Parts: sequence; C-alpha cells; structure tokens
Amino acid sequence: DAGVIQSPRHEVTEMGQEVTLRCKPISGHDYLFWYRQTMMRGLELLIYFNNNVPIDDSGMPEDRFSAKMPNASFSTLKIQPSEPRDSAVYFCASSGDYPYEQYFGPGTRLTVT
Amino acid sequence: DAKTTQPNSMESNEEEPVHLPCNHSTISGTDYIHWYRQLPSQGPEYVIHGLTSNVNNRMASLAIAEDRKSSTLILHRATLRDAAVYYCILEGAQKLVFGQGTRLTINP
Repeated sequence: DAGVIQSPRHEVTEMGQEVTLRCKPISGHDYLFWYRQTMMRGLELLIYFNNNVPIDDSGMPEDRFSAKMPNASFSTLKIQPSEPRDSAVYFCASSGDYPYEQYFGPGTRLTVT
Repeated sequence: DAKTTQPNSMESNEEEPVHLPCNHSTISGTDYIHWYRQLPSQGPEYVIHGLTSNVNNRMASLAIAEDRKSSTLILHRATLRDAAVYYCILEGAQKLVFGQGTRLTINP
C-alpha cells in the first residue's frame, strides 16, 4: 500500500483565499483524522471520521474550517477565508478498527501571507 | 484526558541503549499507553502500545511499572535514524492527545 496520501505537499496562498487540502487514507481503514501542527501549539487534532461520518469536530478552530469525507477513500479539509494564523503543517492520518494505531501522511505545509 | 509528563530532551550515543521515561500518575485502569515518534519533517509514526505487561516489537520495548503510573520506552541499540521527538500518550475517547514529547538526540 502507498500509505496515506496528501496533496498538495506545499501550499502558499494569500489571506482571504480558499484553501482545500486533500487526503487519501489507506485502503480498508475505518478511521480518518485531521491534525494541525505549529511550533506554538504542537500537534492538535482537528476532527476525525469513523466510516465516513464525523465523530468529533471539537478541535476545529472556527467556522472558517470545514471537513468532509464523501467516501471511504477521500477527505478534504477546507479553510475559507484563510488567515495568516492558519499557517501550519496539516496532517491526515488513518487507522483500521483500532483507532490508536494511526498512520500519518507526509503533511501539507500551508503558508498564508 | 489523563496527562503524561516527559523530559523535554535527552541525548544518547549511537549503538547504545536509550531509556525514555514517561510519568502518568493519573492513568485509569483501562487506559492503554501509546508511544509515537516524529522524525524531522515527517508525520508521527506509531511505535508501540501496552496496558499492563511489558511489550516488545521490532522497533522498541515498552516497560510498564507495576502500579502503571510510569512507563519507559527502550530503544535497544540507537541509530542516528532514531533521532526524533518521542510522544507518550494515554488513550481516551478514540483520540490521541499529543503533548510536547521528548526530543531525542543521537550522537555519532
């Protein structure tokens, strides 16, 4: 398996623009997680899905952030409008029926100017 | 979520064993202990987990105190590739809550 795939790997955008991050989990995995990592706040869980259904979105910063999982092989994290404080590395992870053994993607480094 | 306490940083030499400590005095009876590591410029990587008994896998060993208030991740023979931030995490509500971890430096 190719592992968790994320795109783009790097994104530079201007404040106010819409940003869409994409994730393809490992085939057969039931859980999908979105994390954000910054120097100040470390690694934070934003939202996670089980069988394509959002289970916990308490970590989503505000209404500018939204996540979807239309099918078992694809998820998106959207930021609209983006702000400079959204600059971070965003990781997607997936796991099988045991949610604590997670496999992380390579991350998307987002820079908002 | 129950909290863990780890040293901010540790240093060791290549080809020597490394013992990474973690305190979790508020652990509950059903909490598993998980370890992840994050190599530079990569996403976190699962290392090992356990409940009460010591655990071994190809990457490391996990030694859990009898009272479960602390645990130690053991790298038996460190290599330069083991330089990373190591996170000790207690599971809860299907979520992993990452702390600041221990930054491990390996000297050649």
